[in-house]
Amino acid sequence: QVQLVESGGGVVQPGRSLRLSCAAAGFTFRDYAMHWVRQAPGKGLEWVTVISYDGSNKDYADSVQGRFTISRDDFKNTLYLQMNSLRSEDTALYYCARGGFGDHLDYWGQGTLVTVSS
Amino acid sequence: DIVMTQSPDSLAVSLGERATLNCKSSQSVLYSSNNKNYLAWYQQKPGQPPKLLIYWASTRESGVPDRFSGSGSGTDFTLTINSLQAEDVAVYYCQQYFGTPRTFGQGTKLEIK
Repeated sequence: QVQLVESGGGVVQPGRSLRLSCAAAGFTFRDYAMHWVRQAPGKGLEWVTVISYDGSNKDYADSVQGRFTISRDDFKNTLYLQMNSLRSEDTALYYCARGGFGDHLDYWGQGTLVTVSS
Repeated sequence: DIVMTQSPDSLAVSLGERATLNCKSSQSVLYSSNNKNYLAWYQQKPGQPPKLLIYWASTRESGVPDRFSGSGSGTDFTLTINSLQAEDVAVYYCQQYFGTPRTFGQGTKLEIK
């Protein structure tokens, strides 16, 4: 069965960096686009970024453009999110999700919590 | 950016009754070359990640009960839940995947009356 397990969250000071990971299992990772979606405490869902199945295309929300970088390692079946220059408004539960054929989000991890606070 | 607006923000429906949730996009999410609407619905229960219910506006994901159905085209979409069950209490989100960024609606909170 498809499994997505995020890790790397924690408490970080404003302006610092953090790298999230998402370990994938149960499907052919290299065949699928992958996304990060976040949810601030008590708020709705915010799409963050996507990487194409082959890593050649990446898109970002305006709110993270230039600060966050998505990448993937198909040998390790792992998705990454490098987050730099973190702000308090980046505080959220970060989910990785698989882009189904058509790019709807068909499987989601349980999320990893990032708290940006001094 | 395509803005997704859901209505109502919250909804209370009696058990066994029908719930109707709406989603409107600021521009069409219908791709003319394949006649598909790039619109999905997700269900999020407290403390859980979202779960895909509907994609292509009306295609039910495998394993989703048939009391859930999606309809609409272009800019106006509806998620209908027939014969509401207690386990359907959740927040429901629509999302467009036609353009970037892939925007979500603000969510509709569904409760039991």
